Amino acid sequence: DQQVKQNSPSLSVQEGRISILNCDYTNSMFDYFLWYKKYPAEGPTFLISISSIKDKNEDGRFTVFLNKSAKHLSLHIVPSQPGDSAVYFCAARQGYNTDKLIFGTGTRLQVFP
Amino acid sequence: EAGVTQFPSHSVIEKGQTVTLRCDPISGHDNLYWYRRVMGKEIKFLLHFVKESKQDESGMPNNRFLAERTGGTYSTLKVQPAELEDSGVYFCASSQSLGQGSSYEQYFGPGTRLTVT
Repeated sequence: DQQVKQNSPSLSVQEGRISILNCDYTNSMFDYFLWYKKYPAEGPTFLISISSIKDKNEDGRFTVFLNKSAKHLSLHIVPSQPGDSAVYFCAARQGYNTDKLIFGTGTRLQVFP
Repeated sequence: EAGVTQFPSHSVIEKGQTVTLRCDPISGHDNLYWYRRVMGKEIKFLLHFVKESKQDESGMPNNRFLAERTGGTYSTLKVQPAELEDSGVYFCASSQSLGQGSSYEQYFGPGTRLTVT
C-alpha cells in the first residue's frame, strides 16, 4: 500500500513555462514533506520542503504548495530551464517520533527548448 | 564540505555470495539512513542510526541484511547470502539532529548499484 503517490510518471514542458509536479498522500500523520531531484547515476538532491503547518513555501524558482484537506502537494517550477530535467521525488516524514522518509515513485521532468 | 560518500559505486555478485556496502556520512551528522530503490520503483527506507544505535530498522527486508555503525561514524550494510531480489540501488543518507525527533533534511550519497546474478 503506497502512502505517497506520484501518478504522473513523466512530464514534458517547454523552457520558460511553468512545470507543475503533483503528489498525493494517504497518511494524515505526515508532518513534513520534501521534494528531491535526481539526475542519472547520482543520489537524490534535496530541493525544497514544507511543514504540515504551512500551505506554501517558496525558494527562488521553486514553490511547494500543500493542501492538507485534499492530502495533496505540488511543486511549481517557474520558469522551467533545461537543467531542471531530472526525476523529481516527493517524500513525506511520518511524524514526530521518526525520521523515516516515505517516497513516491518519481516523475521524470523533461524541459525542452 | 564533503558530501555523503558510498563505496563501491557498483557491485556485481552471484546469488549466494556476500557483499558489504559502505557509507561515510557528512562529518558531524549523527543520523545515518539506508534506503533502497528496486527497478525504478520508489525509494524505500531500510533503517536509521543515531550515532552507533539503531533507531529504526523497520524497513530491513529480512535477516540476510546486517547493518552496523561502529563508533558512530561510517556504516556498513552486509547482505549474506545475496538473492536475486536484492538487486537495486542502495542509498545512504545523513542528517543533523535538532533534538529529539526532529532533524534537518536528509542528504543522500550517490548510491551503490548492486546486481545479483
